Amino acid sequence: QKEVEQNSGPLSVPEGAIASLNCTYSDRGSQSFFWYRQYSGKSPELIMSIYSNGDKEDGRFTAQLNKASQYVSLLIRDSQPSDSATYLCAVNGGSSNTGKLIFGQGTTLQVKP
Amino acid sequence: NAGVMQNPRHLVRRRGQEARLRCSPMKGHSHVYWYRQLPEEGLKFMVYLQKENIIDESGMPKERFSAEFPKEGPSILRIQQVVRGDSAAYFCASSPPGPQAYTEAFFGQGTRLTVV
Repeated sequence: QKEVEQNSGPLSVPEGAIASLNCTYSDRGSQSFFWYRQYSGKSPELIMSIYSNGDKEDGRFTAQLNKASQYVSLLIRDSQPSDSATYLCAVNGGSSNTGKLIFGQGTTLQVKP
Repeated sequence: NAGVMQNPRHLVRRRGQEARLRCSPMKGHSHVYWYRQLPEEGLKFMVYLQKENIIDESGMPKERFSAEFPKEGPSILRIQQVVRGDSAAYFCASSPPGPQAYTEAFFGQGTRLTVV
C-alpha cells in the first residue's frame, strides 16, 4: 500500500464547476496535511494546509480532513482554466516528527472553457 | 522577501562528472529539505538539514549523493559520478523555526539536471 494515494486523473471539469480532489494516507500518526499545485515544468506551490478534522476554506479552495478515515480532500469552486495543473497531496511524515513530506503521485486537473 | 533560491536552474553534466546544486532558504528559515522528482513521477524526500547538521537523510541514495548546510552560505546537494538515471528535477524547500511537524514548507524553482 502506498503511503499517500491519489487518483492520477486526468480529472476534467467544465469552467465554473466544482473540482473535487481526493487523497488517502496510511500513517495514522500523520499530523499535518498540505495541498500543492504544480504547473507543468514548474515548482510546487503551497495552496492549503490543514491540521485538524473538518473543513478549512480559503477563497475558492476548501480543504477537508477526516483523520478517522485517513482522508484529505480539496474542493475548488468556480473552477477556472488557470486552475489546470497537477495537485499534489502531501502528508507530514508522521512518527518522524519532522517536516519531511510524503507526496502522492498527484492528480492532473483539466478545466475546460 | 525573496523566496527560496536555487541555482543553477538547468544543469547539464556528462556521465561521470559531478553535479553541485545550491539552495538558499527564505529569509528567516533555518530548515532545508531536498526532494527529487523523476520524469512522470512524484516528489520524493531526500534529506533534511539544519545549519551544520543533517537531521534526516533516509531518502538519500547510499552512494554518490551527499548534502550539507554550512554555517555560512547555501545548502549544497552534491552528486558524484552522475549517471543517466540521476536526470531529474531537484527541489529545495525551506521552512521557518518551530515545530516542524506543523510547519509549512515553500519550494524553490528547482534545478533540472540532465545527464548526457
